[in-house]
Amino acid sequence: AQSVTQPDIHITVSEGASLELRCNYSYGATPYLFWYVQSPGQGLQLLLKYFSGDTLVQGIKGFEAEFKRSQSSFNLRKPSVHWSDAAEYFCAVPKAAGNKLTFGGGTRVLVKP
Amino acid sequence: DGGITQSPKYLFRKEGQNVTLSCEQNLNHDAMYWYRQDPGQGLRLIYYSQIVNDFQKGDIAEGYSVSREKKESFPLTVTSAQKNPTAFYLCASSMEPDAKNIQYFGAGTRLSVL
Repeated sequence: AQSVTQPDIHITVSEGASLELRCNYSYGATPYLFWYVQSPGQGLQLLLKYFSGDTLVQGIKGFEAEFKRSQSSFNLRKPSVHWSDAAEYFCAVPKAAGNKLTFGGGTRVLVKP
Repeated sequence: DGGITQSPKYLFRKEGQNVTLSCEQNLNHDAMYWYRQDPGQGLRLIYYSQIVNDFQKGDIAEGYSVSREKKESFPLTVTSAQKNPTAFYLCASSMEPDAKNIQYFGAGTRLSVL
């Protein structure tokens, strides 16, 4: 069965510092991969997606992610975080049948002034 | 504005009571989904519907029921059989039930037990 793991439950970063969130997946073939962001008490917003091709994908809000097949990873990065980046971030993989998403447990990001 | 509307934002359930969460979309999407979110567990799929008048159980369907009588509406009922209903519930939709279709989410309903 496919699974998605986000090893870090919480990350605290200073404003202006770089950020990297880890995502590992277990899947038989090359999966489609998504990163979503959730502000407190809100729904999820898509940051970026990977289907195929270039393994470095750009998203909204200055985020990027790199797909590494050899490491079964799809880590999310941002060079310089802003206070508004404080949120919870979810990595997800869809099952082809029915487009059912399997989510990682999420990483909560706190931004220090 | 196109989007997904969930109501109410907050809901309280008494012991033995059924409650219904509303989800409406005006995106003309075929597929709709209900997820439950608990702290530290990510989101788990309750039910999904690929097309009107059809729906399937997700990973945690016990104690929940749904209907899909209209394309734009996918209400979720939390029945008294659901012994631990306190959670944040998110509705989503996608244009088609295919893995390349992005899911768009509503703002959620927070359900608590009195």
